Amino acid sequence: QKEVEQDPGPLSVPEGAIVSLNCTYSNSAFQYFMWYRQYSRKGPELLMYTYSSGNKEDGRFTAQVDKSSKYISLFIRDSQPSDSATYLCAMYFGSARQLTFGSGTQLTVLP
Amino acid sequence: EADIYQTPRYLVIGTGKKITLECSQTMGHDKMYWYQQDPGMELHLIHYSYGVNSTEKGDLSSESTVSRIRTEHFPLTLESARPSHTSQYLCASSEGRTILETQYFGPGTRLLVL
Repeated sequence: QKEVEQDPGPLSVPEGAIVSLNCTYSNSAFQYFMWYRQYSRKGPELLMYTYSSGNKEDGRFTAQVDKSSKYISLFIRDSQPSDSATYLCAMYFGSARQLTFGSGTQLTVLP
Repeated sequence: EADIYQTPRYLVIGTGKKITLECSQTMGHDKMYWYQQDPGMELHLIHYSYGVNSTEKGDLSSESTVSRIRTEHFPLTLESARPSHTSQYLCASSEGRTILETQYFGPGTRLLVL
């Protein structure tokens, strides 16, 4: 079983929709959670970073962590065609400092 | 925008050839990484370095080797390329001095071995 599970999609939504992307994990030691965005033929870029359970908001993006359920989410409000990309969740715990990635969810926002 | 560069961006090469994928960063980061990424699959760590003259193998077994002679440079070498090495290779770096492990990625090298 993979340590981090992520639905690969693909996911297609109309412009303006609210998008929900999710990852589940099995290792309760994970403490730090990230979302990366990867455009086609580019390297991943860090989008959001959270440490504790709860919500963190940055513009149209909200990252949510539920450590009791081992579940993290990324919400995108008012989605735009420019949000079309693959979204990767990643996580680590303090002593390891090596990221464990999900396989990514491919999102397409249709104009 | 991250200042981390990879060359070549695309490489098509025959079986048995020796290849070196270049990665350099201008941020002065101590830690550098090489990941392998296949379509629809998660990134797998194949090598990492915590500083000059420090290199370690990652979770995914790889026939490649790396060196870290200078802080800014972390090349990856395949002595004899095989079709099974066809993949995308991503280089990343992080400051490594705090608990916040923010990794900055290069654009990747897409390798096709015929």
